[in-house]
Amino acid sequence: TQLLEQSPQFLSIQEGENLTVYCNSSSVFSSLQWYRQEPGEGPVLLVTVVTGGEVKKLKRLTFQFGDARKDSSLHITAAQPGDTGLYLCAGRGFSGGYNKLIFGAGTRLAVHP
Amino acid sequence: GEEVAQTPKHLVRGEGQKAKLYCAPIKGHSYVFWYQQVLKNEFKFLISFQNENVFDETGMPKERFSAKCLPNSPCSLEIQATKLEDSAVYFCASSPGTASNNEQFFGPGTRLTVL
Repeated sequence: TQLLEQSPQFLSIQEGENLTVYCNSSSVFSSLQWYRQEPGEGPVLLVTVVTGGEVKKLKRLTFQFGDARKDSSLHITAAQPGDTGLYLCAGRGFSGGYNKLIFGAGTRLAVHP
Repeated sequence: GEEVAQTPKHLVRGEGQKAKLYCAPIKGHSYVFWYQQVLKNEFKFLISFQNENVFDETGMPKERFSAKCLPNSPCSLEIQATKLEDSAVYFCASSPGTASNNEQFFGPGTRLTVL
């Protein structure tokens, strides 16, 4: 069974601070997605990383896929109150229903003005 | 349509009653997925379809849960004889294909409350 451990579970920071969210697994994933979910809504895709070692940037957000494709990180620079929300990582495996997503438990981020 | 549509948004059932949830995938997407999100934000995969065919049902509870995707109709997830632990938000997602970089687009979810 593939598992994805996400940390931290909660993060409360001041506006302007930097933060990093981690997703780790003992399994290899064919790709990894990062989603953001607002209350009462479905997850919205932020980025997909496919290649080991890949780094993608989305404004102040930097996403990295580990070389072995077992882990990923999301780094936010100079966080703003608008970044508040639930961040989810989700991996896709290689075998046995490989297109389903395995989700991490989520990181609830609160950025205070 | 351009978005995944789910109905109803909220559903309240007494324990033992039937619940039926609907999902209309994005037009042109061949794959539909159902996920269950429980209180602690944990997402659990239930079942996926390739058009009207079951693609992967490894997450479906053996009893009480069933799902269909019929041509020219919304997909559906049905729970017979609901239990308290079925209370969750049920999300449907659709995808154009199964390549690693194919995105899954999520609907707004149906919140099921079993009393």
